[in-house]
Amino acid sequence: QKEVEQNSGPLSVPEGAIASLNCTYSDRGSQSFFWYRQYSGKSPELIMFIYSNGDKEDGRFTAQLNKASQYVSLLIRDSQPSDSATYLCAGQGAQKLVFGQGTRLTINP
Amino acid sequence: EAGVTQFPSHSVIEKGQTVTLRCDPISGHDNLYWYRRVMGKEIKFLLHFVKESKQDESGMPNNRFLAERTGGTYSTLKVQPAELEDSGVYFCASSLTLGLAGSAGEQYFGPGTRLTVT
Repeated sequence: QKEVEQNSGPLSVPEGAIASLNCTYSDRGSQSFFWYRQYSGKSPELIMFIYSNGDKEDGRFTAQLNKASQYVSLLIRDSQPSDSATYLCAGQGAQKLVFGQGTRLTINP
Repeated sequence: EAGVTQFPSHSVIEKGQTVTLRCDPISGHDNLYWYRRVMGKEIKFLLHFVKESKQDESGMPNNRFLAERTGGTYSTLKVQPAELEDSGVYFCASSLTLGLAGSAGEQYFGPGTRLTVT
């Protein structure tokens, strides 16, 4: 079992809709969780982090963490074509990041 | 503020040769990390420096890999001798703070070095 699991997709969402990206983790020692966006051939770009149970909102993005269920999610409201990318979920334990494989998201105009 | 930079962006070498990758972290970031993504796999941790000290090198694949951070500024990752399975994208990241309970040590990534061993 991988430490951090994501559905690799591709996930297709129409423009203007809500994109929902999910991630589960196995290490209960993970303290913080990060969502990175990666465009093809580019570096991972940090878009959200969360370390408390519940929701955290930043603009069109909402991160959700449920430590009891070991589940992290990212919601993107009013999806734009520019949101099309691979989204990486990472858990942080002992400073290092443990990544999932990433979910490829496509926003269809 | 300049981000994390890496050099070179691409490197193609033959099996058995040596390659040295360089990473310049964000100014003032004491924490520097190396990660690697091989084709079809997730990004995996290699090692973590705090200033010039190796804090965690549990992800280093074998003794063909040597990382240094002299003076606590930039870091180099040397692969000697390179093998075919070393091909992949090597990312460097840096953070200002450590991820401790109640806070997050956000890591910012460089553009990566794509290494191809033929």
